Formats: sequence, C-alpha cells, structure tokens
Amino acid sequence: RKEVEQDPGPFNVPEGATVAFNCTYSNSASQSFFWYRQDCRKEPKLLMSVYSSGNEDGRFTAQLNRASQYISLLIRDSKLSDSATYLCVVNSPNYGGSQGNLIFGKGTKLSVKP
Amino acid sequence: EADIYQTPRYLVIGTGKKITLECSQTMGHDKMYWYQQDPGMELHLIHYSYGVNSTEKGDLSSESTVSRIRTEHFPLTLESARPSHTSQYLCASSGGAYSPLHFGNGTRLTVT
Repeated sequence: RKEVEQDPGPFNVPEGATVAFNCTYSNSASQSFFWYRQDCRKEPKLLMSVYSSGNEDGRFTAQLNRASQYISLLIRDSKLSDSATYLCVVNSPNYGGSQGNLIFGKGTKLSVKP
Repeated sequence: EADIYQTPRYLVIGTGKKITLECSQTMGHDKMYWYQQDPGMELHLIHYSYGVNSTEKGDLSSESTVSRIRTEHFPLTLESARPSHTSQYLCASSGGAYSPLHFGNGTRLTVT
C-alpha cells in the first residue's frame, strides 16, 4: 500500500457544484496533514492545513479521520478558478531520517466547466 | 507569502554542460528540499537538507548533487547535463518537522 493515496480523478464538474476529494495514508503515526493546489506548470501552493477537529476556509472544508486514516477536502460552489490539481500531503515520521518528511499524493485533477 | 527564490526560471542548455540551479530562502528555515516534476506527473523528492552541512538523497535517484553551506542557500548541481534531465525542478523549505512546505516558482530545465 502506498503511503499516501488519492482519488485518481479527473473530476469534471459544472460551476456551482460541490466536489469532495479523499486521501488515505498508511502511517498511523503521521501528525500533520495538508492540502495543496497546483496549477498547470506552476509550483504547488498551500491551500490549507488539516486539523483534527476539521477546519473551514471560505468554500473549502478539510477533515481528518484518524481512525480510518483519511483526510478529505470539500469544495462548495465551485468556481472556474478552482480548476487545478489538488495534492494531499502527509507527514511521515519514518520517511527520510529521524525528523520525517512530508509525502505528497499524486494529486487529483479538478476541472470546473461553465 | 513565503520568501523562497529560484533562478534561473528557464534554462536551455546543451548536453554535457555543467549547471547549477540556485535556491535561496529568507525565512531562516532549516529544512530545504529539491523536487523534480515532469508535466502532469507527480512530485519526486531528489534531495533534502535538515540544516547546514546536512544533505540527503531523496526517493528518486538523481545524478545531481547539492550543498548546504549556508542556511539560506541550497544549490543543485548537474555536472554533465543530459536530455533525460529535462524537467521542472522545484525547491522548497519548511520551518519544522510538522510545518508545511513553501515552494519556489521552479526552474524549467531543457537539455538539448
């Protein structure tokens, strides 16, 4: 099982739709979780951190389920500008030495159509 | 907004040339990373550093080398560029083990 797995996508949705992405992680000792957004041929940019209690930022809601080892991202009222690849990122304590490192999922592509 | 800078933004170079991709950050972050990413593909970690004089190889084998003589500077060097090195190289830094990464805007390398 890969350390971080995401919905393969692509997700093609109309403007105004609600879309949800899921991401599972294999290391139960993981402590930090993030969602990044990456536009075509650009660098990934931090969208939001994911907290244990769940958190919301405008139209975006992130949730963490430690028991099932997955995180989710919900986008409400999709805009054309939301079209991008969304990357799930998880800290893995055993990856890359004693300090651990962040592991990126392969990403899920979202395309919002008019 | 994170202050991490990469130069050059684009580079086209012939086979066999030695190149150095520059990466600097002004946030005082100890952890720095180099990723390689082909268009439409996933990120691959090729090098990382936990601080001055610390460098490690990532999960993707790379013929490049890195150095970390100063906290703010993490250059990547290819001694002899080949067409297979054509890719986008992304530098990132982090303030701690549980902190997010901040990326530079990348160097798009083409080796002819």
